[in-house]
Amino acid sequence: DTGVSQDPRHKITKRGQNVTFRCDPISEHNRLYWYRQTLGQGPEFLTYFQNEAQLEKSRLLSDRFSAERPKGSFSTLEIQRTEQGDSAMYLCASSSTRGNTEAFFGQGTRLTVV
Amino acid sequence: AQSVAQPEDQVNVAEGNPLTVKCTYSVSGNPYLFWYVQYPNRGLQFLLKYITGDNLVKGSYGFEAEFNKSQTSFHLKKPSALVSDSALYFCAVFSGGYNKLIFGAGTRLAVHP
Repeated sequence: DTGVSQDPRHKITKRGQNVTFRCDPISEHNRLYWYRQTLGQGPEFLTYFQNEAQLEKSRLLSDRFSAERPKGSFSTLEIQRTEQGDSAMYLCASSSTRGNTEAFFGQGTRLTVV
Repeated sequence: AQSVAQPEDQVNVAEGNPLTVKCTYSVSGNPYLFWYVQYPNRGLQFLLKYITGDNLVKGSYGFEAEFNKSQTSFHLKKPSALVSDSALYFCAVFSGGYNKLIFGAGTRLAVHP
């Protein structure tokens, strides 16, 4: 396991469609984060899991967004009824609670809603 | 509320010259501070962190950063810039309880030959 893996790397969808992204964290990491990044901006926190528990959600995460981490390993982020404003890079990161280590990021999924 | 400010949208430096990318923070309690670098269409790569101890921390690719508690700053530095250092740099702080990283808006570093 060499790092955080995200799939797909790119997704183009029509407005109103649902999309789902997957993140596979570093295997021994128990924390998993989702961030959204738009052009020219820093990453904005969306949500975070410790093991399978979703412990915090940003107000940015509307009802159309849902995230899961069913077995405390991989995570999915689903966006329902996509809007053009959802177009962004979605970044996943993982870290360990042992030793307050840094978060390691995947390469992101770039979503374009047309 | 926790926050990070990167006052410069872009920093331009000639290859071989020293570089500084500025970061100031606002956090309750002791700060855990980080620098990340992002290349085009890529995720963020960890450069270095300050948790405790020596105020000068060294990281990847010859970068270092100095923690200054009185000025609430954590500026990124490198003695001699390379063209390949050109990228987007983000400063970040762990919010209370270490639940999430809060990022600055980023600084684009352009190193000219």
